[in-house]
Amino acid sequence: NAGVTQTPKFQVLKTGQSMTLQCAQDMNHEYMSWYRQDPGMGLRLIHYSVGAGITDQGEVPNGYNVSRSTTEDFPLRLLSAAPSQTSVYFCASSPPGRRSNYGYTFGSGTRLTVV
Amino acid sequence: DAKTTQPTSMDCAEGRAANLPCNHSTISGNEYVYWYRQIHSQGPQYIIHGLKNNETNEMASLIITEDRKSSTLILPHATLRDTAVYYCIVYSGSARQLTFGSGTQLTVLP
Repeated sequence: NAGVTQTPKFQVLKTGQSMTLQCAQDMNHEYMSWYRQDPGMGLRLIHYSVGAGITDQGEVPNGYNVSRSTTEDFPLRLLSAAPSQTSVYFCASSPPGRRSNYGYTFGSGTRLTVV
Repeated sequence: DAKTTQPTSMDCAEGRAANLPCNHSTISGNEYVYWYRQIHSQGPQYIIHGLKNNETNEMASLIITEDRKSSTLILPHATLRDTAVYYCIVYSGSARQLTFGSGTQLTVLP
């Protein structure tokens, strides 16, 4: 099925561990982004990419790295996990062209707990 | 992007129309009004968007006032599955991100 696929759905990490959250889309969307959502709050942008090889920081980038080697994939790496990174992480994508003409498609999320 | 103001929560009877208001008094001429919803803790789902004219799709209708300072999302026949947090977002398309506020918790009652 077309859409945005995130893996894993759940993850528990120990403080200091590193891991990669995967995000893949099969809609040939140019724009991809990562958000985090803390309990009772709205989503905040971590990093985004406007195309393969191009990434930039969002509102809360510290502690995270991204890369965009293909149009389809946009992994998010946690360098050294901290309890403050306990959150739900969402990946989103939108088509080429003027983004105001389209809605964003979101993945189902990765629920991360850092102990 | 302009800020939005939404009620914290609303109830609606199943089968009735749900009307969700949003104020965006500082909206600029090139900014669109977007609506998303989030069911439980799933990823946000795009519903509808508009610039000046009223819009309708298979999910909902969007009514934007003539001065564009407020809008209303209408779910014509609400079902229990429409229970969700609804976000009204003002977005120009050139900004780097969608700015999600607190949204409106809509509860559809049987």
